[in-house]
Amino acid sequence: GQQLNQSPQSMFIQEGEDVSMNCTSSSIFNTWLWYKQEPGEGPVLLIALYKAGELTSNGRLTAQFGITRKDSFLNISASIPSDVGIYFCAGQQMNFGNEKLTFGTGTRLTIIP
Amino acid sequence: DVKVTQSSRYLVKRTGEKVFLECVQDMDHENMFWYRQDPGLGLRLIYFSYDVKMKEKGDIPEGYSVSREKKERFSLILESASTNQTSMYLCASSSPGGAYEQYFGPGTRLTVT
Repeated sequence: GQQLNQSPQSMFIQEGEDVSMNCTSSSIFNTWLWYKQEPGEGPVLLIALYKAGELTSNGRLTAQFGITRKDSFLNISASIPSDVGIYFCAGQQMNFGNEKLTFGTGTRLTIIP
Repeated sequence: DVKVTQSSRYLVKRTGEKVFLECVQDMDHENMFWYRQDPGLGLRLIYFSYDVKMKEKGDIPEGYSVSREKKERFSLILESASTNQTSMYLCASSSPGGAYEQYFGPGTRLTVT
């Protein structure tokens, strides 16, 4: 099945730094979701986006639904140790009744002490 | 809060055994999904279900079957486990139409020896 392209694949940052990652596709999506997965756990939903251009925040996290509907962005401000994990984007394509999601390849975030 | 639970966090089975993975959600969601997650391959959809007794194949259904006898419960069955089915298995659920937000369980790490 299709996967979304996420970049970067991994990030090594210092505590307090801001983080940016993005997710791109050749197809149009009408919903974008961002998840975080910690080692040995299931993904946890962070932010959901439903409209092109939409900007949504959840604490220090901000995500945007790209205008072209083919991309999405996640920013984390002032990173802290508990931000460590793998961040996945997921999109739902514009097919009526299609409940399936397409997932990104993930961005692994490591915080250097 | 949506809660998705999986029957085991860790399982070790022998090649050829029949394996049952159980998933229960408490939010009255119609849709339920089974994924496997492997390093470098991301999340791959095995099967999903839109309703009780209804199932559809995902991207990698070979070697698996599913059962949905009650709305809240979705079971994944490995008819004859093989070593290439060693993986992290994730269950998810969602409401139909509109939101597409999938909520994941904690995962079952299955090792087949």
